[in-house]
Amino acid sequence: DAGVIQSPRHEVTEMGQEVTLRCKPISGHNSLFWYRQTMMRGLELLIYFNNNVPIDDSGMPEDRFSAKMPNASFSTLKIQPSEPRDSAVYFCASSTHRTAPEQYFGPGTRLTVT
Amino acid sequence: DQQVKQNSPSLSVQEGRISILNCDYTNSMFDYFLWYKKYPAEGPTFLISISSIKDKNEDGRFTVFLNKSAKHLSLHIVPSQPGDSAVYFCAAISGNQFYFGTGTSLTVIP
Repeated sequence: DAGVIQSPRHEVTEMGQEVTLRCKPISGHNSLFWYRQTMMRGLELLIYFNNNVPIDDSGMPEDRFSAKMPNASFSTLKIQPSEPRDSAVYFCASSTHRTAPEQYFGPGTRLTVT
Repeated sequence: DQQVKQNSPSLSVQEGRISILNCDYTNSMFDYFLWYKKYPAEGPTFLISISSIKDKNEDGRFTVFLNKSAKHLSLHIVPSQPGDSAVYFCAAISGNQFYFGTGTSLTVIP
């Protein structure tokens, strides 16, 4: 199994631009999670999906952030417009179901907004 | 407000000795606790978990202890190996909510 796949691995963009991060979960996993990692706050859960449906988006910081999961094998996290304070590493993770304790993480996307 | 806290940002241990990583939490309703290990430029990988109804879980060199009265979780690694050098995150789950600590960077000195 290829594991969770994220793209791009690195993204550098200018303030005000739209950024789209992509994730392909492990085949057969029903739950997908988006996290943001910063030095100050560690890993923060932004949103998670169960069977392609958003269950909890209370961690999404602002309306500039949106996430979609059009099918079981693909999800996007979009930031529009991006700001320098959005610079972080964004991780996608998947699990067999939302109550399964183990989540499998992708390698992350390092986002830098200048 | 951090519901899961790792107060030690870093820890250094000699190879062969015990590494003890600590984690404190505030929510008594957490029903699962986990430890993840993260190498640079990689995503976290699951290491070991413990249900809130237990106080100890062991897997090879790794043992997790849960002290519910103190709301404290610890990970013991014995013996420590240089390959254990990584950032360790503790995490807690309550229903639909997932919380991670800020991580502790472990360095095992050969």
